[in-house]
Amino acid sequence: SQQGEEDPQALSIQEGENATMNCSYKTSINNLQWYRQNSGRGLVHLILIRSNEREKHSGRLRVTLDTSKKSSSLLITASRAADTASYFCATDRNTGGFKTIFGAGTRLFVKA
Amino acid sequence: SQTIHQWPATLVQPVGSPLSLECTVEGTSNPNLYWYRQAAGRGLQLLFYSVGIGQISSEVPQNLSASRPQDRQFILSSKKLLLSDSGFYLCAWRTGSSGELFFGEGSRLTVL
Repeated sequence: SQQGEEDPQALSIQEGENATMNCSYKTSINNLQWYRQNSGRGLVHLILIRSNEREKHSGRLRVTLDTSKKSSSLLITASRAADTASYFCATDRNTGGFKTIFGAGTRLFVKA
Repeated sequence: SQTIHQWPATLVQPVGSPLSLECTVEGTSNPNLYWYRQAAGRGLQLLFYSVGIGQISSEVPQNLSASRPQDRQFILSSKKLLLSDSGFYLCAWRTGSSGELFFGEGSRLTVL
């Protein structure tokens, strides 16, 4: 079964607004990653946060991780029309290795 | 630099026909290789992963099989396709047991 679950499933905002997407997972993890997918394309890695980190920034992206609640959030600030895509969280468990499990994703639409 | 190639990009096959999707990675040695499937508007389902030549781990019992005949080649096959095999197939690689995955551009399979 898939580990990560994102919400909302879909999000529509105006250009310039912030977009927040959430992810919950079920088991102990080694790290959590966020990926972006443009329609019909492969996934592109955005950011990785380790289980001992609480917050990480990369450009307009801010990721938080709360291991006690088994949840993460991705914030995109000052969104642009080009940010329109699907966003997925993915987890690497801290046992067993090798398997990266993806959630169902959030489809973000940024209106110009 | 490393690159990943996946082909064919699009495939329309009748039910009961065979399947072969190929993935190759350039610019790295002994990568860990992955096959994921994505149903329309959904998340990624891990199908197979491989940590070395001839070593295949299957995550979901199904109509598909995978092989790794060379270090940087990963093949997804089926002897007889089912309607439920339709989807977007993504190959990915990375060097370690966890962390960033690098994805190909995907192969869209439609079984009629």
